[in-house]
Amino acid sequence: EAQVTQNPRYLITVTGKKLTVTCSQNMNHEYMSWYRQDPGLGLRQIYYSMNVEVTDKGDVPEGYKVSRKEKRNFPLILESPSPNQTSLYFCASSLSGTRLRWTNEKLFFGSGTQLSVL
Amino acid sequence: QKEVEQNSGPLSVPEGAIASLNCTYSDRGSQSFFWYRQYSGKSPELIMSIYSNGDKEDGRFTAQLNKASQYVSLLIRDSQPSDSATYLCAVNPAIYSSASKIIFGSGTRLSIRP
Repeated sequence: EAQVTQNPRYLITVTGKKLTVTCSQNMNHEYMSWYRQDPGLGLRQIYYSMNVEVTDKGDVPEGYKVSRKEKRNFPLILESPSPNQTSLYFCASSLSGTRLRWTNEKLFFGSGTQLSVL
Repeated sequence: QKEVEQNSGPLSVPEGAIASLNCTYSDRGSQSFFWYRQYSGKSPELIMSIYSNGDKEDGRFTAQLNKASQYVSLLIRDSQPSDSATYLCAVNPAIYSSASKIIFGSGTRLSIRP
């Protein structure tokens, strides 16, 4: 089954304790992206990757890191989490970031990770 | 000014009626527009995309785009309780050189009452 898999689904941690949220897709997609969703603010892009070893900042990259060493994986790293990073996080992928604009190419979303930083 | 604005709702519509969801955007040069549906506790899923002025129909859904007014809407005919969800408007702004930039609105919560 074609899917984007995020883990964990729920995570409670404490300030300053490094954590990684994993994201994996099995559709051979070139484009992957991380979003956070907060009430009243909608989905905001954190980082995105157009292909392996190509990553770029989104709208709210501060406090986050990503890497794209393999096509299928795009982990989100919080080196020193803070309470303002408490949020619902979504990983998404698409066949091509270039085609995303002009075709019916859609973003496939993972199930989400609810993160609480105490 | 937010780049993509939506009324947060909730918008309550009786079953069988037409639900009308609206969205405005700030970048006049935007070229592509999307509507995603998100059920409570679930991830967003694409239901419509539109690129040209006018209407685009897909089953019970119609997307309407008016670039002069910087306005995009989604009509849901014969509303069903299963349509109760949050609807996210998304835009690919022209100001970004990267075609992969998609800006989401904060969503409108739609409730269909039996």
